[in-house]
Amino acid sequence: GAVVSQHPSRVICKSGTSVKIECRSLDFQATTMFWYRQFPKQSLMLMATSNEGSKATYEQGVEKDKFLINHASLTLSTLTVTSAHPEDSSFYICSARAGGRGGTDTQYFGPGTRLTVL
Amino acid sequence: DAKTTQPPSMDCAEGRAANLPCNHSTISGNEYVYWYRQIHSQGPQYIIHGLKNNETNEMASLIITEDRKSSTLILPHATLRDTAVYYCIVRGGADGLTFGKGTHLIIQP
Repeated sequence: GAVVSQHPSRVICKSGTSVKIECRSLDFQATTMFWYRQFPKQSLMLMATSNEGSKATYEQGVEKDKFLINHASLTLSTLTVTSAHPEDSSFYICSARAGGRGGTDTQYFGPGTRLTVL
Repeated sequence: DAKTTQPPSMDCAEGRAANLPCNHSTISGNEYVYWYRQIHSQGPQYIIHGLKNNETNEMASLIITEDRKSSTLILPHATLRDTAVYYCIVRGGADGLTFGKGTHLIIQP
């Protein structure tokens, strides 16, 4: 299957600093990538859709100025959490969309990034 | 995308077949049924998807009823490593996925 990587896998930072998370599709090109967030004991929640070469679209309630997304190439999207606060501590997961059988497109997920803001 | 309903948890003995049900009574004609699973502290793993025919791959089988209002994911010989939360998701477009609470499958030794 298609492989998606994320870096870093775990990051601890101080409140007020910014953190960048990278998402890469390793063996396929992805015009669209997605960013999700998962709090403890909850399901994944879609944050934003990242389209190569254009602005990201954000879900309702997600601050675009706080969660900066850049999708500069067909294999790389980055999420920057700016001025991080303890409530931003969460598990951030990206996915990349690959063309599939019968015209469907399957999303493949990265391993996730655990962010802890002190 | 249509809403899905899954039991919150299930147990299965190691080596037996695990059958995970999913109801999606409001599914529309162009929507696919996808199954993912998430092992603790990892990203979701794609398992299988289908439209109306039954599907099988190296991981699992997907049985979709003729009216498409429900489906069953079958893990033919469950192992301890299959313990995870299994998500049934119905989607027709190319948007992000909407995850419900899923089914926590526990494989018992």
